[in-house]
Amino acid sequence: DGGITQSPKYLFRKEGQNVTLSCEQNLNHDAMYWYRQDPGQGLRLIYYSQIVNDFQKGDIAEGYSVSREKKESFPLTVTSAQKNPTAFYLCASSAPGQGKWRGYTFGSGTRLTVV
Amino acid sequence: AQTVTQSQPEMSVQEAETVTLSCTYDTSESDYYLFWYKQPPSRQMILVIRQEAYKQQNATENRFSVNFQKAAKSFSLKISDSQLGDAAMYFCAYRSGGFQGAQKLVFGQGTRLTINP
Repeated sequence: DGGITQSPKYLFRKEGQNVTLSCEQNLNHDAMYWYRQDPGQGLRLIYYSQIVNDFQKGDIAEGYSVSREKKESFPLTVTSAQKNPTAFYLCASSAPGQGKWRGYTFGSGTRLTVV
Repeated sequence: AQTVTQSQPEMSVQEAETVTLSCTYDTSESDYYLFWYKQPPSRQMILVIRQEAYKQQNATENRFSVNFQKAAKSFSLKISDSQLGDAAMYFCAYRSGGFQGAQKLVFGQGTRLTINP
């Protein structure tokens, strides 16, 4: 079955370290997204990518970086410049379309904790 | 920029009763989509219902229905015959209707729904 796989499910980071969250999809979707979820703030867009080798900053891109070298993969790196990285991170993908657009397919998320 | 507001951080309802979750949004666009997503304790996001702004008829999916008031920029979710499995965080989301590349969703803050047996 097609879907999105995020790994790891739980991740612990020490102060000053960079960590990379994995997101892989086999849905043949062109667009992929990274959101951050904090209590009481909903989901906020970090980065998104419409096609391979192209990506744009979202609303809270500072301290994060991404790459899109393959259609199936959109890894997110949380750098040491991100001052408050403890959060739940969700990856999503979508197919193009208007009238029948069904929204996102989400991964199961990664919980990142700074220790 | 578009914004989505869910003014009810928490709601509770008795099992088998009906509950309505509120959502308002701010936009200057006339063509857009609105969504309700459910996030149960597993934290997996699940699409509940969607509405195209150009459609006057309110969307319905089994026990879930919406009240879409375009002029008031309101998009509430009604859950009928509430079941224990409906307990979750519910997010309202907005997407511009134009095909301008990636279809970014803007989410509200969420409403945590508790079902009392």
